[in-house]
Amino acid sequence: ELKVEQNPLFLSMQEGKNYTIYCNYSTTSDRLYWYRQDPGKSLESLFVLLSNGAVKQEGRLMASLDTKARLSTLHITAAVHDLSATYFCAVESGKTDKLIFGTGTRLQVFP
Amino acid sequence: DAGITQSPRHKVTETGTPVTLRCHQTENHRYMYWYRQDPGHGLRLIHYSYGVKDTDKGEVSDGYSVSRSKTEDFLLTLESATSSQTSVYFCAISESLRQETQYFGPGTRLLVL
Repeated sequence: ELKVEQNPLFLSMQEGKNYTIYCNYSTTSDRLYWYRQDPGKSLESLFVLLSNGAVKQEGRLMASLDTKARLSTLHITAAVHDLSATYFCAVESGKTDKLIFGTGTRLQVFP
Repeated sequence: DAGITQSPRHKVTETGTPVTLRCHQTENHRYMYWYRQDPGHGLRLIHYSYGVKDTDKGEVSDGYSVSRSKTEDFLLTLESATSSQTSVYFCAISESLRQETQYFGPGTRLLVL
């Protein structure tokens, strides 16, 4: 059974700093998605990673996928307050083709 | 933004009553999904649909049923609501099942007293 773990669960960081969110999963998959959720809002698609070594960047966020290590990272560069949100990774099960979500990382960026 | 609406957006109901949530899309996407979001669990798939009248169970389907009589509408029914079904429910759509991001609706907050 596919399990997806994110860490940290909560991250408080200062503006201008860099940090990385990790997403580990338990069984083979080469398809992983990152979403952002603002408080009380819906989920917004950030990145789609469909192969080993895939790297995508948008603004201050960069996501990568290492299928051999079963690990994806979401790197934040020079954080700004607008990045405060909860970030979810979701792994596409190779067995069922359904998405299994991590529990989310709540990011808070302060001045 | 993908054209997805959910109704109602908020609902309070009593234990034992039936509840139906509606998801409506204007994108003509084949796949539609119902998730529930609870603290500490992320999102969990309840049911999904791969076409009109074609549905299947997700990982937390007990106590829920779905129907899809038109491409644009996907209904989620709680046959007899329980307090454990208090949650935020999200509908999502996608063009294909694999290698395709899902687009999420605004969510429905359900409180079962």
